[in-house]
Amino acid sequence: EIVLTQSPGTLSLSPGERATLSCRASQSLNNNYLAWYQQKPGQAPRLLIHGAASRATGIPDRFSGSGSGTDFTLTISRLEPEDFAVYYCQQYGSSPRTFGQGTKVEIK
Amino acid sequence: QVRFVQSGAELKKPGASVKVSCKASGDTFTIYAIHWVRQAPGQRPEWMGWINAANGKTKYSPNFQGRVTLSRDTSASTAFMELTSLRSEDTAIYFCATISISFSGAFDIWGQGTLVTVSS
Repeated sequence: EIVLTQSPGTLSLSPGERATLSCRASQSLNNNYLAWYQQKPGQAPRLLIHGAASRATGIPDRFSGSGSGTDFTLTISRLEPEDFAVYYCQQYGSSPRTFGQGTKVEIK
Repeated sequence: QVRFVQSGAELKKPGASVKVSCKASGDTFTIYAIHWVRQAPGQRPEWMGWINAANGKTKYSPNFQGRVTLSRDTSASTAFMELTSLRSEDTAIYFCATISISFSGAFDIWGQGTLVTVSS
């Protein structure tokens, strides 16, 4: 089973600032099959990025993904008030599909 | 585009079973692979398995093998997840999800979730 480790656990930032979230895999991901999700309380996860760097439909371009192999990054260029949430990475190239433990982006 | 509506919250005793439904609408049910993901309070999501809605073929996470059964009723455009031998650690929100993006495996469509509480 591939283990995904996210860092930091919590990111305290102000609106307008840049957020950089990291996801490290215990082994190289096939075809960079890595997704990022945003989750707010009481809601299902919302897909932001798939294939490590492709934005899902309707996702603003302030969200970008990068990386390959074992190291991946989600960047939010300028935080909007609605971006404060928990973010999870997920790998879907190997079974069982696994998620990281999450990074909470909170208002400073 | 397909949409999912899941069944309502459940309260079960330890040792019991629960069956959660996920009804699809808006598109042809049988073109989708229906995945199930659960999330315990304050924890990361956990993938449970998936079912091919066309032929009923299933694949389960080893973490749930033997306790979970995925099924579907194509006439009702509905997928089901049954979990047996419930224990308190199974208290979680259970989601169905699927992939509508071509050549991707990421879940872009989710049900609203079903809270299952296991308590004596």
